[in-house]
Amino acid sequence: DVKVTQSSRYLVKRTGEKVFLECVQDMDHENMFWYRQDPGLGLRLIYFSYDVKMKEKGDIPEGYSVSREKKERFSLILESASTNQTSMYLCASGGSGRIHHEQFFGPGTRLTVL
Amino acid sequence: SQKIEQNSEALNIQEGKTATLTCNYTNYSPAYLQWYRQDPGRGPVFLLLIRENEKEKRKERLKVTFDTTLKQSLFHITASQPADSATYLCALALGRALTFGSGTRLQVQP
Repeated sequence: DVKVTQSSRYLVKRTGEKVFLECVQDMDHENMFWYRQDPGLGLRLIYFSYDVKMKEKGDIPEGYSVSREKKERFSLILESASTNQTSMYLCASGGSGRIHHEQFFGPGTRLTVL
Repeated sequence: SQKIEQNSEALNIQEGKTATLTCNYTNYSPAYLQWYRQDPGRGPVFLLLIRENEKEKRKERLKVTFDTTLKQSLFHITASQPADSATYLCALALGRALTFGSGTRLQVQP
């Protein structure tokens, strides 16, 4: 059974803290993605990676960075958490290159920044 | 600007009827369009992919159409069941990534 796992389901952090969200997939996909989901705004792409050590900005990269040191692992970093980063964060993986395959999503991390 | 529109209001239908959800887009020329299902508190789950040169795709009780002239996709669930109640998201393939609509919530009444 294919799987995308995320390190936490719920996380509470304070303003200014550095936050790491980890995502691991076991499907040998080259492409991995980080989204945030907010009511009324839908899923918005933060960053994606199409290979180890490669990354591209999505629609809302400000305030975030990412790391992809191994193929199976893609980390999202909030350098200095702010209250407007309170959201549901979803990781996904899917396919390789520009060929669009289905994306497999993790269960999500609900982050609250106080 | 680029835009994907799905009905923000929930769609309520009776069990056994056909549910039809709409996805409209502007200023895109996507090569693919995908539909996902999302249950509360969970990540989206892939349902169907349709390419720009395909008019229609079916999978069991699901049917998707893709009209690149109208810039619209319709998603149908026939013989709907209460278990089909969820939010349904359309997503357009642009470059390496997908751009998602905000979803339509479907409620099937028994």
